Amino acid sequence: EIVLTQSPATLSLSPGERATLSCRASQSVNNYLAWYQQRPGQAPRLLIYDASNRATGIPARFSGSGSGTDFTLTISSLEPEDFAVYYCQQRSNWPPITFGQGTRLEIK
Amino acid sequence: EVQLLESGGGLVQPGGSLRLSCAASGFTFSTYAMTWVRQAPGKGLEWVSSISGSATNTYYADSVKGRFTISRDNSKNTLYVQMNTLRAEDTAVYYCAKDLGGVVPAAIADVWGQGTTVTVSS
Repeated sequence: EIVLTQSPATLSLSPGERATLSCRASQSVNNYLAWYQQRPGQAPRLLIYDASNRATGIPARFSGSGSGTDFTLTISSLEPEDFAVYYCQQRSNWPPITFGQGTRLEIK
Repeated sequence: EVQLLESGGGLVQPGGSLRLSCAASGFTFSTYAMTWVRQAPGKGLEWVSSISGSATNTYYADSVKGRFTISRDNSKNTLYVQMNTLRAEDTAVYYCAKDLGGVVPAAIADVWGQGTTVTVSS
């Protein structure tokens, strides 16, 4: 089973700042990595798939990069609605599909 | 608009059974694989099970294999999961999700329902 480790666990930033979230895989997942956003009390929402492809309707301030074992989700300029929990997920070697433990992005 | 609406959650005793449903609308249901993902209270996301569009292929997490059965009725645009021999650790919000790919699962959940809560407790 591929283990995904996200860092940091919590990121404290202010609106307008740049956010950089990391996800590291225990073995190569090629580019088969997705990112999801979960706001409090809501279902997750797909942001990025296959490392760098934005999902339908996702603003351009969200971008993904990386391949192999190291991946990054970048939010170029934080909006108030971006403060949420973010999960990475791999589909390279499934089943099982696995998720990272999440990064909480909070307002500083 | 693509919509998914889960139902069937509730309180059940350990060892009991429950069937969750997910009613889909706004897309051609039979041409997309579907997935169940759960989230225990205060915890992260855990994949549970997936099914191909034609229901030919099913996939399970080890934690539920042999106890849960995923199925679908394409004539009713509905996804199901039958959960047997429930344990306290199955307590979670259960989300159904549409696969981004197609009939064959791509393992990317592009649309999610709002979830239904299952509590396993005596």
